[in-house]
Amino acid sequence: QVQLVESGGGVVQPGRSLRLSCAASGFTFTSYAMHWVRQAPGKGLEWVALKSYDGSNEFYADSVKGRFTISRDNSKNTLYLQMNSLRAEDAAVYYCARSSGWSGTDPFDVWGQGTMVSVSS
Amino acid sequence: DIVMTQSPDSLAVSLGERATINCKSSQSVLYTSNNQNYLAWYQQKPGQPPKLLIYWASTRESGVPDRFSGSGSGTDFTLTISSLQAEDVAVYFCQQYYDDPYTFGQGTKLEIK
Repeated sequence: QVQLVESGGGVVQPGRSLRLSCAASGFTFTSYAMHWVRQAPGKGLEWVALKSYDGSNEFYADSVKGRFTISRDNSKNTLYLQMNSLRAEDAAVYYCARSSGWSGTDPFDVWGQGTMVSVSS
Repeated sequence: DIVMTQSPDSLAVSLGERATINCKSSQSVLYTSNNQNYLAWYQQKPGQPPKLLIYWASTRESGVPDRFSGSGSGTDFTLTISSLQAEDVAVYFCQQYYDDPYTFGQGTKLEIK
């Protein structure tokens, strides 16, 4: 079945780095744009980043621009989020989500279960 | 950035009654070239990821019960649950996917009265 499984979350000190992964299965990964979305504890949803289906384009929320990098390895059906210079306000559950089409301008139709990132000294 | 504002923040409705959640965007999310509203609704239950309910403002995702419906155009949108069931207790989010950043509303918590 169509599935997204995130991994890589954990507790990290402020200023340090972490890389999240999202393994996709059950669909043709190369046909879909992919997103990262985060949710701080008890808060709403915040879109983080988008990677186009072929990896040629990427977009970021202002809150992470210059610190986070989204990438994908289409040979491994995996999406990544490299998070550098982490701040307390980056603490959240991070979800990867599939865009229902090849561009970013489509609804998010498949979501992973999320991976928790905590930032604390 | 397009700001999405939902109302109310929380809502308590009796079982079997109608629930209505509103969403307003700070600018139109109607793409005139294809006459589509780039607006989606998601349902999130505790401890679960969001689930897509409605897209293009009024198209129900496959498998979503027909008691859920979406309406509106331009900047004003509504999610309606025609007859509330116990399993509909959740937080509901609207989202625009017209342009990045792909912003969400703050969420509406729906409870049973």
